[in-house]
Amino acid sequence: DQQVKQNSPSLSVQEGRISILNCDYTNSMFDYFLWYKKYPAEGPTFLISISSIKDKNEDGRFTVFLNKSAKHLSLHIVPSQPGDSAVYFCAATIALGTYKYIFGTGTRLKVLA
Amino acid sequence: DTGVSQNPRHKITKRGQNVTFRCDPISEHNRLYWYRQTLGQGPEFLTYFQNEAQLEKSRLLSDRFSAERPKGSFSTLEIQRTEQGDSAMYLCASSNEVNTEAFFGQGTRLTVV
Repeated sequence: DQQVKQNSPSLSVQEGRISILNCDYTNSMFDYFLWYKKYPAEGPTFLISISSIKDKNEDGRFTVFLNKSAKHLSLHIVPSQPGDSAVYFCAATIALGTYKYIFGTGTRLKVLA
Repeated sequence: DTGVSQNPRHKITKRGQNVTFRCDPISEHNRLYWYRQTLGQGPEFLTYFQNEAQLEKSRLLSDRFSAERPKGSFSTLEIQRTEQGDSAMYLCASSNEVNTEAFFGQGTRLTVV
């Protein structure tokens, strides 16, 4: 049972445009969500997170939106840069207890120069 | 402190051999996690330590796997009698009680031949 789903395996975007990466979850107990970026042969790098008490969180070019009723979150990158090309994973957790993450399968973003 | 450190970065072993991986978390991080990532998948939770106590183990962690965190500092993950299906990237992450986001090491890539 895939509790966190990223239905788009890949996405190509022109440099300077907006990249939108989507993530859906099924477990209504999840109350904290994160996005990680991963380059080949490296570990995931934390990007941005959001608590379920919020519906938006911004950090520079990165914004995460959370729609609890739809069990959907998205990551917006504006403007996209070639260095953003990587695999992006969304993760969800329950913020009491072990804080273990359930990850999606990832979306490979390619930003074209 | 340069972040989470994992050794070795790569390990090739013959089927049936035992292997051990080491993780040095960010100092003063009391939470430590092991994840496994296979091709095309997101990281999957294996086990969690709070200080030296192993508080949760995934069903993925068969009895051939054992993890320790003596004195609540570094951790080791041992796989006995390796099988080809154990080939994966093994990731270690750490966090503290203030921030929910975990920081990952660069991983150990295991290849069982």
